[in-house]
This record gives sequence, C-alpha cells and structure tokens, in this order.
Amino acid sequence: GAGVSQSPSNKVTEKGKDVELRCDPISGHTALYWYRQSLGQGLEFLIYFQGNSAPDKSGLPSDRFSAERTGGSVSTLTIQRTQQEDSAVYLCASSLGLAGANEQFFGPGTRLTVL
Amino acid sequence: QQPVQSPQAVILREGEDAVINCSSSKALYSVHWYRQKHGEAPVFLMILLKGGEQKGHEKISASFNEKKQQSSLYLTASQLSYSGTYFCGTSEGDKLTFGTGTRLAVRP
Repeated sequence: GAGVSQSPSNKVTEKGKDVELRCDPISGHTALYWYRQSLGQGLEFLIYFQGNSAPDKSGLPSDRFSAERTGGSVSTLTIQRTQQEDSAVYLCASSLGLAGANEQFFGPGTRLTVL
Repeated sequence: QQPVQSPQAVILREGEDAVINCSSSKALYSVHWYRQKHGEAPVFLMILLKGGEQKGHEKISASFNEKKQQSSLYLTASQLSYSGTYFCGTSEGDKLTFGTGTRLAVRP
C-alpha cells in the first residue's frame, strides 16, 4: 500500500451505538493525525500521535471520543454512544514527522452517518 | 484559533490569476496549503516555514509574512484542474489548524 488507507469507507449507525474507525498510515510515518470534516466545512483537528503516544488530545469533542495507536502504525478512533452531531467525514493523515514541518498525506476518509 | 481565509469563493476564467490569503492571530512556525476536490481527500501543495524555507510543488507560488502572520497563495494562468477548495493550515510546531477554505472554480 503506497498511501494512507481508512476503513470502513462508509459507516451508517444508529444513535447510541459505538463505532470504530481504522487508519493505516504510510509505512515509516511516525506522526498520525485525525481530523473531522462536516459537510461543506473545514478540517477540525481531533488528536495526533507521535509514535504510540498522543501528546495532544485537545481536539476531541467529548469523552465519548477516544483513539489509540499500536506498534507505531495502525490507529483506531472510537466514538461511544454516537449522536447525530457526530455525522461527518473522519480523515486520517500521516507524515514523516510532526505536521509543522512535514507534508501530510491524507487517507480517503470514513463517512459516518448517525441516524 | 482558526486562521481566516479570503476570499471565501472565487470564479475564474481559464488562464486568469488569483490570490488566496490566510491570516492568523498567533505567531506561527509554518503555514501549509492544501487543495481538496469534491469528495476527495486534501492534497498537499506547499509548506512555508519560519525563516524562509519552502517545500512544495514547483508550479505553486506562495509567500509567508512572519511578522504579520499572513500567507498568500498565488495561482497564475489558472487551469480547469485548479478548481477545488483551498485550505491553509497554520502551525506553531506540532499540529495544523485549518482555515475555513476558499472555493475556487475555473471556467473554460
């Protein structure tokens, strides 16, 4: 895989259910970022990982949101007790180092719809 | 705090030029530019770093005024493929805060 991959590409769930979104970064990229993009809006930072550590979780909207990264590679974003306002496209990006000085490579996103 | 982009939208004829501006209230380490086409992921265009270093595509031109915390993206001799939404992302070091975007449409 040459690029960042995300799964599932689409997820429809009922209000109150938990969902897990997966991101596979480019091999060798130490930094991994999660963003949320609501319809017609910009990209909202959620959390980033440097290796397996998450130095900045300030963008997570509530304690229903959590994320982890294992083996310095795959990351999972979990949303518990989903609400309709969680509906959005969730984008993952990876980079060789921290975003300030490095190009970010974005995955295709997961479109989450909460009914 | 989210950077402010202007204009919010612009329509060009093929071959015309455009400038997109990005302004922040914070002292910045870098400014990034990305383009997103409808239904697709954002694609990297350029990074402008404090101190003058730039990384990006040769055909893209941009400037970064560190004192004013402002950046401008220059699109010259526009092509149909330039259409999309342009986002600036500002960084104090470790993460990006993206602006609200500028929608660009290039007409034949």
